[in-house]
Amino acid sequence: KNQVEQSPQSLIILEGKNCTLQCNYTVSPFSNLRWYKQDTGRGPVSLTIMTFSENTKSNGRYTATLDADTKQSSLHITASQLSDSASYICDSRTNAGNNRKLIWGLGTSLAVNP
Amino acid sequence: GAGVSQSPSNKVTEKGKDVELRCDPISGHTALYWYRQSLGQGLEFLIYFQGNSAPDKSGLPSDRFSAERTGGSVSTLTIQRTQQEDSAVYLCASSVGQVGRPQHFGDGTRLSIL
Repeated sequence: KNQVEQSPQSLIILEGKNCTLQCNYTVSPFSNLRWYKQDTGRGPVSLTIMTFSENTKSNGRYTATLDADTKQSSLHITASQLSDSASYICDSRTNAGNNRKLIWGLGTSLAVNP
Repeated sequence: GAGVSQSPSNKVTEKGKDVELRCDPISGHTALYWYRQSLGQGLEFLIYFQGNSAPDKSGLPSDRFSAERTGGSVSTLTIQRTQQEDSAVYLCASSVGQVGRPQHFGDGTRLSIL
């Protein structure tokens, strides 16, 4: 069964600290995995996409990694800011012929406190 | 602006009434998606349009839900005989081309059924 599981469900950190969010996928055949940030009351915004051949990709203070062997992806946030408080969602694409599907995780709710 | 626009932003209606939600995608985006997001829950896929056709409507929860897209642009999601469990945020997203391209989301319509 194609699934995307995210952990932790929620996380509270202090401003300036680093944190890492996890996304485990059991999607086959795997095509790519994308991380989104969703601010309260807004729609999700794409942060980065990881393909099978990519191990690490950075977007400012956000660094995503992908381990295709263990089927795990992580999103590392460096020097967190109050504006990083949001829900972080990952989705994975499976590409089996005509059955192209996006499988969404439930998200991690991050709160950055001063 | 050039983003995905959804209207209304908020809708409160009585149980049993019909509601219509509108989505204006980014110009030139051929793919359009509707999702439902309940409080504290992940994105629930409803329907996907490629142009005016809906190759995947597998997520529509019941026959009270329908959607159409005209001119390869504007889409409306209609919920008939609304129930309290229909209360949620309804998000629309558009993307260039096929499944897996980055989706650009609107800020959603927050629907409350009394």
